[in-house]
Amino acid sequence: DAGVTQSPTHLIKTRGQQVTLRCSPKSGHDTVSWYQQALGQGPQFIFQYYEEEERQRGNFPDRFSGHQFPNYSSELNVNALLLGDSALYLCASSLLSLDTQYFGPGTRLTVL
Amino acid sequence: KQEVTQIPAALSVPEGENLVLNCSFTDSAIYNLQWFRQDPGKGLTSLLLIQSSQREQTSGRLNASLDKSSGRSTLYIAASQPGDSATYLCAVYEGTGGFKTIFGAGTRLFVKA
Repeated sequence: DAGVTQSPTHLIKTRGQQVTLRCSPKSGHDTVSWYQQALGQGPQFIFQYYEEEERQRGNFPDRFSGHQFPNYSSELNVNALLLGDSALYLCASSLLSLDTQYFGPGTRLTVL
Repeated sequence: KQEVTQIPAALSVPEGENLVLNCSFTDSAIYNLQWFRQDPGKGLTSLLLIQSSQREQTSGRLNASLDKSSGRSTLYIAASQPGDSATYLCAVYEGTGGFKTIFGAGTRLFVKA
């Protein structure tokens, strides 16, 4: 049983560019959440998707947007990248939003 | 605004010692609390999930307790091993309609052989 997968593993972008990160949830899971983790800090909640809709959102600007597809996979898009967007981006899936979350290995984004 | 605090920020213990990690949260209106482990540069591994109606959960050498009224949770690790060295994170679930997960900054644990 494949766990949560994320692509790409690493990504380097320059300021002002746009990036798309991808996540495939664990088999049977219907809820996907995205997090940003800066070095030495805990993950910060970006948003949660369920039934292809954004159900909850953390304190992130509109430059951060997402999408969930009918097969429950999800994308995180970040526009107009800033240096401060450099972080590890984590995706987590669960069966229903309150159930145990399973995390992927993350995508390391570096903005130069 | 919910704030989750973990104390201590870092801890170094000799192998075999029993230890307690602390987590506190400011708003007791939470649904669940979950403890995770994170190895350097990796994703998070779920350790224990405590639902709001529960007081504790156990898995092997790990025991987590939850006191919602006081806004506290503890993670007890028995007979620590070098392989337990990692960052331990606690997170609370809150919200309506969908749920946010609010994390603490973590406790970095080093178990010396």
